[in-house]
Amino acid sequence: GAVVSQHPSWVICKSGTSVKIECRSLDFQATTMFWYRQFPKQSLMLMATSNEGSKATYEQGVEKDKFLINHASLTLSTLTVTSAHPEDSSFYICSAPSSGLRVEQYFGPGTRLTVT
Amino acid sequence: AQSVTQLGSHVSVSEGALVLLRCNYSSSVPPYLFWYVQYPNQGLQLLLKYTSAATLVKGINGFEAEFKKSETSFHLTKPSAHMSDAAEYFCAVSTAGTASKLTFGTGTRLQVTL
Repeated sequence: GAVVSQHPSWVICKSGTSVKIECRSLDFQATTMFWYRQFPKQSLMLMATSNEGSKATYEQGVEKDKFLINHASLTLSTLTVTSAHPEDSSFYICSAPSSGLRVEQYFGPGTRLTVT
Repeated sequence: AQSVTQLGSHVSVSEGALVLLRCNYSSSVPPYLFWYVQYPNQGLQLLLKYTSAATLVKGINGFEAEFKKSETSFHLTKPSAHMSDAAEYFCAVSTAGTASKLTFGTGTRLQVTL
């Protein structure tokens, strides 16, 4: 089946630095990808919809200048957490819907970000 | 706007017992409903989905769910629990198809005991 990968799977960064997380659809093209964050023992909350070739659509309350999303190709979306703070520590998960006759949504394995 | 409510953040069953995880939804349009399973430090795996076809949906690993419009429910069941079923389970709803963004419930942690 289709696979979505994320890199890195785990990252630690210092407060004030920026970190980039990649989401790739490995064997299908995705014009849209979704970014979610999950706090410990909580549910997934949609942060933004990444659109290939255009600006991302952010959910209410999500700072677009802090969480930069770039969807430069049909197989890659990146989420950059700028000027990270400890409260940004979370599990970030992306998903991508496949296309064709049978549409399925595939989730990446997630990236755990720890900001110290 | 749509929403999902999962009753019971933690459910414990004995191995071999029936598993019942509850999910109720709210949607102003016909919903698409999903159940996902998440193992520790991993992403989500789709168990099953309802897309307005058959109301009883069979999924992987012996799970099934029944869409009941009158009760706005989509409860997940499995006749006999295995130790390997211990995980976090999320119910989710979409109002724009299987390729659109999802609204998740708060999750239910399933514990399976000997």
